Amino acid sequence: NAGVTQTPKFRILKIGQSMTLQCAQDMNHNYMYWYRQDPGMGLKLIYYSVGAGITDKGEVPNGYNVSRSTTEDFPLRLELAAPSQTSVYFCASSYRGYGYTFGSGTRLNVV
Amino acid sequence: TQLLEQSPQFLSIQEGENLTVYCNSSSVFSSLQWYRQEPGEGPVLLVTVVTGGEVKKLKRLTFQFGDARKDSSLHITAAQPGDTGLYLCARVTGNQFYFGTGTSLTVIP
Repeated sequence: NAGVTQTPKFRILKIGQSMTLQCAQDMNHNYMYWYRQDPGMGLKLIYYSVGAGITDKGEVPNGYNVSRSTTEDFPLRLELAAPSQTSVYFCASSYRGYGYTFGSGTRLNVV
Repeated sequence: TQLLEQSPQFLSIQEGENLTVYCNSSSVFSSLQWYRQEPGEGPVLLVTVVTGGEVKKLKRLTFQFGDARKDSSLHITAAQPGDTGLYLCARVTGNQFYFGTGTSLTVIP
């Protein structure tokens, strides 16, 4: 049972480039989340989804987009990357608000 | 923004000492979670507290939810180097959960 899998683990982007951070879970969880964590800080919610086809904004959605076409996958898209998006990104899932599980993160550096 | 304040921000103690970290908000929580995060890893859920005044124990860790459900504390007895990490509280509001800024704990052997 893999839990929540995030890819890639590390990435360096140039300013203005785009990329997709992948997140997949195999626990049949309906809720999925994307967070970013800046050095020495807690996690800030970017987007979340309560089921396939349903997404909603969190605290810091600007510069990001998400989609949820299946229960298992919740990719995060960065368009026109900016240095302010340098961070560690975590994906998480839960079943109706229980059993929260986090992935191991994607470290992104925008230069 | 759902503001959660954690204190202290940093804590460095000797192995065997006891410690308490705090999580406070001006708003009432429906429920609150505590996580521990080790370097390079995602947070791992330790406990969820729901009822005002609730106390939960997890081995040497004791979690308390304030009577008014606006605050919570985590007490560690006889800290060990393996307890080193970032301790985060998170309030659950509807379908979202919001994290505090965390307490970075270092236990020195």
